[in-house]
Amino acid sequence: EAGVTQFPSHSVIEKGQTVTLRCDPISGHDNLYWYRRVMGKEIKFLLHFVKESKQDESGMPNNRFLAERTGGTYSTLKVQPAELEDSGVYFCASSTNEDYYNEQFFGPGTRLTVL
Amino acid sequence: AQKITQTQPGMFVQEKEAVTLDCTYDTSDQSYGLFWYKQPSSGEMIFLIYQGSYDEQNATEGRYSLNFQKARKSANLVISASQLGDSAMYFCAMREGRGETSGSRLTFGEGTQLTVNP
Repeated sequence: EAGVTQFPSHSVIEKGQTVTLRCDPISGHDNLYWYRRVMGKEIKFLLHFVKESKQDESGMPNNRFLAERTGGTYSTLKVQPAELEDSGVYFCASSTNEDYYNEQFFGPGTRLTVL
Repeated sequence: AQKITQTQPGMFVQEKEAVTLDCTYDTSDQSYGLFWYKQPSSGEMIFLIYQGSYDEQNATEGRYSLNFQKARKSANLVISASQLGDSAMYFCAMREGRGETSGSRLTFGEGTQLTVNP
C-alpha cells in the first residue's frame, strides 16, 4: 500500500510568487491534515479535511494560504503571494478517522524556501 | 499555553547505551493519545510508538518504550541499546479526545535532537 506522497519535495521561489503544494493521502483515508515546521520551531497544525470538507482551518496563518481537497482525494495548499516567513517544511498527514488513538501517517514533506 | 513540552533541545548518547527523551503534556481531556515521531535528516516523519490515556501498561515497540506517568503528565521515550541510525530529531505529540474541533489535530513539542556517538 502506498504511503502519503507529497509534491514537490523542494521548492525555491522568490517573495511575491505563488507556490502550490500537493498531497496524496493513503487511499481510503478520509482525514487529511496539513502541518508546517518553520525553522527551529515546533510542527504546527494548519488545517484538517474530512473528505472534501474543511473540518478545522484554525491553524491557517492568514488569507495568503488556500487549501483545497478536490473530490476528497488529493489536496493542494497554495501560498499566494509567498513571503519570507513562509519558508519551512510543509507536512501532510492522513488517517482513517478522527479518534485520538488513531495514527496519522505523514508524508515526506515539502521544503519551501522563499528568497 | 504550550501543551507539549520537550525540555531537551539536544541529547548525546554513546552507542549501545540507553537514552531517555523527556516529554510533558497538558490537557484537561480524559481521553487522549501520546505519540512519538522520529525525523531523520532525510526529513520524513516516522511513527515510533503510541500511548493511550487509558492504557495501564507502558507501551513498548522493539527498542522503544514509553515511560507513561499520568499523574505527572509525562510521557518520556526510552531508547535502549542506541544505534548510530537513531541519530535524528524526535518529536512528542498529543491528540486529544474526539468531539471538539481541536480534538483531531496533533500538537507537537519542539523536538529533541539526538546524537548517537560511536
